[in-house]
Amino acid sequence: DTGVSQNPRHKITKRGQNVTFRCDPISEHNRLYWYRQTLGQGPEFLTYFQNEAQLEKSRLLSDRFSAERPKGSFSTLEIQRTEQGDSAMYLCASSQKTGTGGYQETQYFGPGTRLLVL
Amino acid sequence: AQTVTQSQPEMSVQEAETVTLSCTYDTSESDYYLFWYKQPPSRQMILVIRQEAYKQQNATENRFSVNFQKAAKSFSLKISDSQLGDAAMYFCAYNGVYQLIWGAGTKLIIKP
Repeated sequence: DTGVSQNPRHKITKRGQNVTFRCDPISEHNRLYWYRQTLGQGPEFLTYFQNEAQLEKSRLLSDRFSAERPKGSFSTLEIQRTEQGDSAMYLCASSQKTGTGGYQETQYFGPGTRLLVL
Repeated sequence: AQTVTQSQPEMSVQEAETVTLSCTYDTSESDYYLFWYKQPPSRQMILVIRQEAYKQQNATENRFSVNFQKAAKSFSLKISDSQLGDAAMYFCAYNGVYQLIWGAGTKLIIKP
């Protein structure tokens, strides 16, 4: 059973450039989450997919951020016109919805993509 | 609003001894899940232990156990026989409607 993978692991870019990150969830998981984590803090929720549908977006996710999950498999997170404040670790997690209930399942995390905007 | 509070920014413990990390949370829900995750330096977030709120029995995973006090909304993590590999940031998390809500973390230092 392979875990959640993320690419690239590190990205350095200049302010104003666009960047795209990829997340490959655990193969049987139908839910996928993106979080952002700054140094010394807990993760902050950005957005969430169930299969290919993007069901929730945080107010933290400005218009410069867009995420997709075509065919309900891997997901991409794109940041346009990057700003220095976007520097952070971007974490992806996946889980498998069980039953008809809510969100009790455990989320499993990838290694993250560390973004530095110069 | 649902919140999670970890009041200990840093804790240290001698190798082989026991340490307890504190976490409190606030929710109006009656059925929910709580988690402890571990994040070693420059490494990924790993699930340590999970507790289902409707279960009165405290969860245990090898050297890791929790003290879950539902009425007090307290969820502490006890690490027995601490090992050097336990050094990491420990995050307490509560499952909100569709996202995990996180505490600020506790940095655990293991003294050899």
